[in-house]
Amino acid sequence: AQSVTQLGSHVSVSEGALVLLRCNYSSSVPPYLFWYVQYPNQGLQLLLKYTSAATLVKGINGFEAEFKKSETSFHLTKPSAHMSDAAEYFCAVSENTGGFKTIFGAGTRLFVKA
Amino acid sequence: EPEVTQTPSHQVTQMGQEVILRCVPISNHLYFYWYRQILGQKVEFLVSFYNNEISEKSEIFDDQFSVERPDGSNFTLKIRSTKLEDSAMYFCASSSGGRAYEQYFGPGTRLTVT
Repeated sequence: AQSVTQLGSHVSVSEGALVLLRCNYSSSVPPYLFWYVQYPNQGLQLLLKYTSAATLVKGINGFEAEFKKSETSFHLTKPSAHMSDAAEYFCAVSENTGGFKTIFGAGTRLFVKA
Repeated sequence: EPEVTQTPSHQVTQMGQEVILRCVPISNHLYFYWYRQILGQKVEFLVSFYNNEISEKSEIFDDQFSVERPDGSNFTLKIRSTKLEDSAMYFCASSSGGRAYEQYFGPGTRLTVT
């Protein structure tokens, strides 16, 4: 069965600093991996996804993530944080078990300090 | 830009009552999902629906829950005999394809059971 672990429920960075949000997954078959962002009182929006093509995936708003099979990781990074990046970030894994179940991590809340 | 819509935005109901949460997925999408997010917790998969039938459901989705696509545009989640612990944000999502495809989320319905 697949699972997702996000290390750090809260991450705080200064504006302009590197953002690193960690995600490790477990899957019995090659996974599809996603990062979603949730702004307050809104639904989830896809930032980027890995679907077995390039291991370095670029997404919206300057975010990118690297799939590392040996480490079972899919960490999200952004070189320079902006105040508008403050939100909740969810890593998710999808595994075709006959249906289309997507498992989300517990989420990491990103705080950006001026 | 097409979007997933959900109604109502907030539903308050008494314990033991039945509620129906409504969603209008993006029109050319074929896969539909319900998730819930208890306050402060992670997003949990409830059910996926394709070709007019449930393709996968989680252990949360017991006989208390049912889904329906009554008219080719709406996608509903019915919760019978609501309990206090059903209080959560319920998100509908849709996608044009299977597990590798982005899921588009609605803004959610906040269900409060009193």
